[in-house]
Amino acid sequence: EPEVTQTPSHQVTQMGQEVILRCVPISNHLYFYWYRQILGQKVEFLVSFYNNEISEKSEIFDDQFSVERPDGSNFTLKIRSTKLEDSAMYFCASSEVYRDRVRDNEQFFGPGTRLTVL
Amino acid sequence: SQQGEEDPQALSIQEGENATMNCSYKTSINNLQWYRQNSGRGLVHLILIRSNEREKHSGRLRVTLDTSKKSSSLLITASRAADTASYFCATEPSNFGNEKLTFGTGTRLTIIP
Repeated sequence: EPEVTQTPSHQVTQMGQEVILRCVPISNHLYFYWYRQILGQKVEFLVSFYNNEISEKSEIFDDQFSVERPDGSNFTLKIRSTKLEDSAMYFCASSEVYRDRVRDNEQFFGPGTRLTVL
Repeated sequence: SQQGEEDPQALSIQEGENATMNCSYKTSINNLQWYRQNSGRGLVHLILIRSNEREKHSGRLRVTLDTSKKSSSLLITASRAADTASYFCATEPSNFGNEKLTFGTGTRLTIIP
């Protein structure tokens, strides 16, 4: 069964450092997403990406964040200068959105990267 | 107030019993999805129900959707210890071009062996 993969599983960084979180979406999916979950809180949407550009972003996704699809398989989230409050589990997801011309936006999530900012 | 809220926040039942979790939301939706999350782990997709569907089954799972009440329920029948996890509903809004999911607060389900 195809699945979304994410690396690394755990990233520890110093405040102010840049981090890049990596994801490999399911191969025939066209829409990609990043979400985050601060410990004990709800899963929050960060950004969606389609056709090599951002489709939508939340207010959390400020200038410190960027996404990229550097090749045909990877999808990355970069945080330029990490803050303590960026500590969270970051989830990548992907979806087809349309299946047989019917809107069916099942989003499949990766296992997450736990980011700890010290 | 929040788009997705589950109740109860926590539920403990004996193995073999049925577990019912509810989700309420506020805006018009295209679909509603249920996910399971084991402690500190990833989100596992369980089932998607479209706005024009009222009920859907998948194995021991039964999901209902009442768009007039803006609510959904997830029923797990014949629960097992392995069902212990947090369960979240997530809604996709109905406006075209908006694919993001809004998650609820989750129900923590504990199955007592």
